[in-house]
Amino acid sequence: IQMTQFPSTLSASVGDRVTITCRASHSFSTWVAWYQQKPGKAPKLLIHKTSNLESGVPSRFSGSGSGTEFTLTISDLQPDDFAIYYCQQYNNYPWSFGQGTTVEVK
Amino acid sequence: QVQLQESGPGLVKSSGTLSLTCSVSGDSITSGTYYWTWIRQPAGRGLEWIGRVYASGSINFNPSLKTPVTMSVDTSKNQFSLTMRSVTAADTAIYFCARGRPSSVAGECFDSWGQGILVTVAS
Repeated sequence: IQMTQFPSTLSASVGDRVTITCRASHSFSTWVAWYQQKPGKAPKLLIHKTSNLESGVPSRFSGSGSGTEFTLTISDLQPDDFAIYYCQQYNNYPWSFGQGTTVEVK
Repeated sequence: QVQLQESGPGLVKSSGTLSLTCSVSGDSITSGTYYWTWIRQPAGRGLEWIGRVYASGSINFNPSLKTPVTMSVDTSKNQFSLTMRSVTAADTAIYFCARGRPSSVAGECFDSWGQGILVTVAS
């Protein structure tokens, strides 16, 4: 399954609500994860199984979707949230990632 | 808290062999709960799942990889390893080891990662 992520870059300000979308090449349900990566660091798991928040992740992060479209929403964007975000599908082998969305300061 | 740490040479000659090891602390790779995984990221690009090894030694690889890949576990050292033979410049990337958390009926997401190691393939 190919995961097409958009936008590739998103310019936003602190306090904004931002939405990142992953579109799958084939329809499936549930098995999507979202990661945050900062420069020079490993990705960090934010959300698994489409909408389940990983322990310790702020509640301003949320995930939803099914079929071919999955979204990550950050409400009330904070300075620490400027980073690159990746989706990952683990419904069909081999597991695959989107190409990433950079959330940058507007 | 589980920690993973990659080690190995940062420079490999073209057509040579890339060998990396991931040392795991805070969890036992023989617990049978998780998959132990390699993922790579070419400079400025996205993430690519390379493959996984289970405590039993069972191995799965990404069939889209052009470079032959093997993986192994060393239970006595709580480590797992990646070997890629006949590498080319296209294999230049940051290589991460990660812990795969399996789902009930599908694959896995990755809840702990090493810091990554840059491997450059050069002639």
